Amino acid sequence: AQTVTQSQPEMSVQEAETVTLSCTYDTSESDYYLFWYKQPPSRQMILVIRQEAYKQQNATENRFSVNFQKAAKSFSLKISDSQLGDAAMYFCAYRGLGTSGSRLTFGEGTQLTVNP
Amino acid sequence: DVKVTQSSRYLVKRTGEKVFLECVQDMDHENMFWYRQDPGLGLRLIYFSYDVKMKEKGDIPEGYSVSREKKERFSLILESASTNQTSMYLCASSRWTGKSNQPQHFGDGTRLSIL
Repeated sequence: AQTVTQSQPEMSVQEAETVTLSCTYDTSESDYYLFWYKQPPSRQMILVIRQEAYKQQNATENRFSVNFQKAAKSFSLKISDSQLGDAAMYFCAYRGLGTSGSRLTFGEGTQLTVNP
Repeated sequence: DVKVTQSSRYLVKRTGEKVFLECVQDMDHENMFWYRQDPGLGLRLIYFSYDVKMKEKGDIPEGYSVSREKKERFSLILESASTNQTSMYLCASSRWTGKSNQPQHFGDGTRLSIL
């Protein structure tokens, strides 16, 4: 079974600075998808960024980018120019290509605090 | 935009009650999911459904059942609520993905307390 590990329960960053959230996963599959979701205090889970394992290029969405290291099974999220609105719980998630019903496996989450 | 609506934001029930959590999506998605979210454990999949009347067990199905009679609606049932089922419950839906990276879309969650 696949597992996803987020080793940082809490992180903090100063406004306008850069922070990196870590995620590692374990899988025997060669093709899969990885996601980062954000859950602000409003509780609505929002997709931040996604990465296909067959793509070597790291995904980027505005201030959010990933460092995808397939051999190391690592998928970290970098937030540049942090804003107060980035404060949230961040979840890393894995989906295998052959996964029944497109189910996701989530990590434990990292609570990000942004200090003004 | 995809809208996933959960019937209650907060719910308080008593031990032994039968509890229904309802979820409706408006984007004709094939897949629907129920998760529970607990601090330090992330989201854990309870059940999911990839078609009407179809269901599959997730990682923690014990004590729960589901119903999907219509494509847009997916219900989670706690047959006899217990205090260890106090949690946040999240519903999600997605298009059938095949080999694409279609994401899941989530509702706002139901915070359920069992007294």
